[in-house]
Amino acid sequence: GAGVSQSPSNKVTEKGKDVELRCDPISGHTALYWYRQSLGQGLEFLIYFQGNSAPDKSGLPSDRFSAERTGGSVSTLTIQRTQQEDSAVYLCASSLAGAVYNEQFFGPGTRLTVL
Amino acid sequence: AQSVTQPDIHITVSEGASLELRCNYSYGATPYLFWYVQSPGQGLQLLLKYFSGDTLVQGIKGFEAEFKRSQSSFNLRKPSVHWSDAAEYFCAVGATPLKAAGNKLTFGGGTRVLVKP
Repeated sequence: GAGVSQSPSNKVTEKGKDVELRCDPISGHTALYWYRQSLGQGLEFLIYFQGNSAPDKSGLPSDRFSAERTGGSVSTLTIQRTQQEDSAVYLCASSLAGAVYNEQFFGPGTRLTVL
Repeated sequence: AQSVTQPDIHITVSEGASLELRCNYSYGATPYLFWYVQSPGQGLQLLLKYFSGDTLVQGIKGFEAEFKRSQSSFNLRKPSVHWSDAAEYFCAVGATPLKAAGNKLTFGGGTRVLVKP
């Protein structure tokens, strides 16, 4: 597609349920990033993929959070046993490669609300 | 660890007036600096970036930013604001240039700009 797409755009779930958030990067982009945007914490890095591997998972806040990427393309961020503090907008970005000079293109985000 | 501070949470400016958004960073090495804009309900869009060289950087939509190493600042400016510039603006610093580390961005808290007619 023309840009980074994310689905769903909105997700409302009950505390304790698992959720999956999907990111479709720009075709040909080997680097993929997940960020979280929340009122209390601002914009935070979660995880970085280069191809299908994740050399940097340092931003994942707990072991309830995991992510995978398959075929060097689509990525899924999974949150298990959701908590109210997980409510945030989850942003995905992709770039040609992981080097700093490659612009990251952001998707519109998935707004997650945990009741 | 790297950090970014945007001292102004909100700024209100009249249409046609000039705009300056402040950004201060903390980073041990040569910084890689970015300004992004986020319009309501949209993702982040890159306005401009600084890696090296000329300290005055031109970006899209008529924005520019000046890198001042002595002040650890990277302030964003626009000479004449349009109503469509109402949005939230984020300053960010990139990670080290090591390939394996990727380029995770550390963002400031953002500045919300309101434009008065």
